[in-house]
Amino acid sequence: DQQVKQNSPSLSVQEGRISILNCDYTNSMFDYFLWYKKYPAEGPTFLISISSIKDKNEDGRFTVFLNKSAKHLSLHIVPSQPGDSAVYFCAASAWGAGSYQLTFGKGTKLSVIP
Amino acid sequence: DGGITQSPKYLFRKEGQNVTLSCEQNLNHDAMYWYRQDPGQGLRLIYYSQIVNDFQKGDIAEGYSVSREKKESFPLTVTSAQKNPTAFYLCASSMGPEQYFGPGTRLTVT
Repeated sequence: DQQVKQNSPSLSVQEGRISILNCDYTNSMFDYFLWYKKYPAEGPTFLISISSIKDKNEDGRFTVFLNKSAKHLSLHIVPSQPGDSAVYFCAASAWGAGSYQLTFGKGTKLSVIP
Repeated sequence: DGGITQSPKYLFRKEGQNVTLSCEQNLNHDAMYWYRQDPGQGLRLIYYSQIVNDFQKGDIAEGYSVSREKKESFPLTVTSAQKNPTAFYLCASSMGPEQYFGPGTRLTVT
């Protein structure tokens, strides 16, 4: 039973346009959401996060939107650059057993076409 | 220069052998985690540790063991009981909800 779902395995976008990556979750106990970027054979790097008390967080070209009622979040990248081509993982956090637990989606592979 | 190191980058073992993957952090983080990534899959939690000398099983702990004798170190042993050990293994640490990852170790068992 997947608690965090990224329904699009891949996405292709022209350089300079907007990339929108989507993520859905089912567990209402999640209170913090994160996006990670991952290149092949490397560890994921933290990109941006949002607390459940907010609906938007922006950092440069990256903006994350959270719709709690729909249990949906999205990552917007504007403008998209070829260096953004990577796999993006959505993760949701809940406090449990003395630590924060992250549940990851399966990832969306973004290809930015020059 | 703070960060998380994992060694080696690539590891090859014969079936039936135990193998230990190293993870060290100098971020002074309390919590450390081990994940496994398979092709087309997200990251799945193997073990985690909130403090020294204490650790908890994650979702897929069978066939793995860990120790946490020092705050900086959280080695993972892949035992011969793990049925599908070939995978990309990632170590992470955190002080809060944001986890920071090492570069990973690709383990191939033949």
